[in-house]
Amino acid sequence: GENVEQHPSTLSVQEGDSAVIKCTYSDSASNYFPWYKQELGKGPQLIIDIRSNVGEKKDQRIAVTLNKTAKHFSLHITETQPEDSAVYFCAASSKEGGSQGNLIFGKGTKLSVKP
Amino acid sequence: DTGVSQNPRHKITKRGQNVTFRCDPISEHNRLYWYRQTLGQGPEFLTYFQNEAQLEKSRLLSDRFSAERPKGSFSTLEIQRTEQGDSAMYLCASSRRGEQETQYFGPGTRLLVL
Repeated sequence: GENVEQHPSTLSVQEGDSAVIKCTYSDSASNYFPWYKQELGKGPQLIIDIRSNVGEKKDQRIAVTLNKTAKHFSLHITETQPEDSAVYFCAASSKEGGSQGNLIFGKGTKLSVKP
Repeated sequence: DTGVSQNPRHKITKRGQNVTFRCDPISEHNRLYWYRQTLGQGPEFLTYFQNEAQLEKSRLLSDRFSAERPKGSFSTLEIQRTEQGDSAMYLCASSRRGEQETQYFGPGTRLLVL
């Protein structure tokens, strides 16, 4: 079945620097890749997503790139701010057994932005 | 659009007791998903509904777990004879017709089984 690996597990950056989180997936049939931000005690918040017919998507300080051939995708946050500190999860849509829409998540990256 | 809501936010119970959680999806979202999240892990899929039909169940959903969405709006997740291993955050998400894979999560219900 689909497996999503996420790296690094923790990331510490200075305010203003960029942060990059990388994920790989195993199922070439997956075609939807969202990123979620989760703050302590809260549910995951969708911050950006990308579909397999697009190689890159950007929304202000956040961008996601997708390499279908290599089966990996990355989240880029520029000009980081302390409020970006949270746990970030990547996910991939599962197509196993004809599944339609459930997501397989990575284990998360704890991002700390130091002022 | 008030977002996905879940109740209760926290539940402490003793081993062997039954618990029930409720999820109210975003208005007019036809799909509703349940996930479980343990400490330091990403959410794991449990089950999902399209309208009132339960279309998929994960192997994680043992026979002690049952979910319903009787009128295609809110959903309940019941765990019978709780075990300490059931302690986790239970997350609900919903998505709308035409963008089925774009899932919006609620705040979760944190369960502690003593």
